[in-house]
Amino acid sequence: GAVVSQHPSWVICKSGTSVKIECRSLDFQATTMFWYRQFPKQSLMLMATSNEGSKATYEQGVEKDKFLINHASLTLSTLTVTSAHPEDSSFYICSAHRDQETQYFGPGTRLLVL
Amino acid sequence: AQSVTQLDSHVSVSEGTPVLLRCNYSSSYSPSLFWYVQHPNKGLQLLLKYTSAATLVKGINGFEAEFKKSETSFHLTKPSAHMSDAAEYFCVVSDPSGYSTLTFGKGTMLLVSP
Repeated sequence: GAVVSQHPSWVICKSGTSVKIECRSLDFQATTMFWYRQFPKQSLMLMATSNEGSKATYEQGVEKDKFLINHASLTLSTLTVTSAHPEDSSFYICSAHRDQETQYFGPGTRLLVL
Repeated sequence: AQSVTQLDSHVSVSEGTPVLLRCNYSSSYSPSLFWYVQHPNKGLQLLLKYTSAATLVKGINGFEAEFKKSETSFHLTKPSAHMSDAAEYFCVVSDPSGYSTLTFGKGTMLLVSP
């Protein structure tokens, strides 16, 4: 099946620093990738849709200046959490469309902000 | 608009007994429906998908689901539970184009006892 990777899998940082998370489609090209956030024991919440070569589309309530998304190539999207604070601690998951119908998910990145 | 209701937040079964995870959906269109599984601290893995072909869909690891339009249901079943099936399961709906955002159910935690 399609493979989507994320790096890093774990990150611990100090409050006020910025953290970059990479999402890569390893065996297919993805013009559209998605970033989700998952709180403990909750479902996934879509944060933004990342479009290759254009600006990301953010869901209501998600601060675009806080969560910077770059989709510079057909196989890479990055999410940067700027000036991270403890409330940004969460599990971040990306996904990508391989075919028209199915999203394939990365393994997730757990962020802990101290 | 579309929505997904997973009727049980937790389901407990004994190893070797059948599994039933219930899902009802609401959609203005003929939807695409998916079941994903998430093991602790992992990303989501696609179990199976329905995209307007056969109403009985077979997935990986012995799981299957039946699309019932009259009941707006897409329940997930497995004849015999295995300890490794213990995980969180998400029912997901998408509109026919598949490129729109996914709508997730709140998840059902499957517990399997020896």
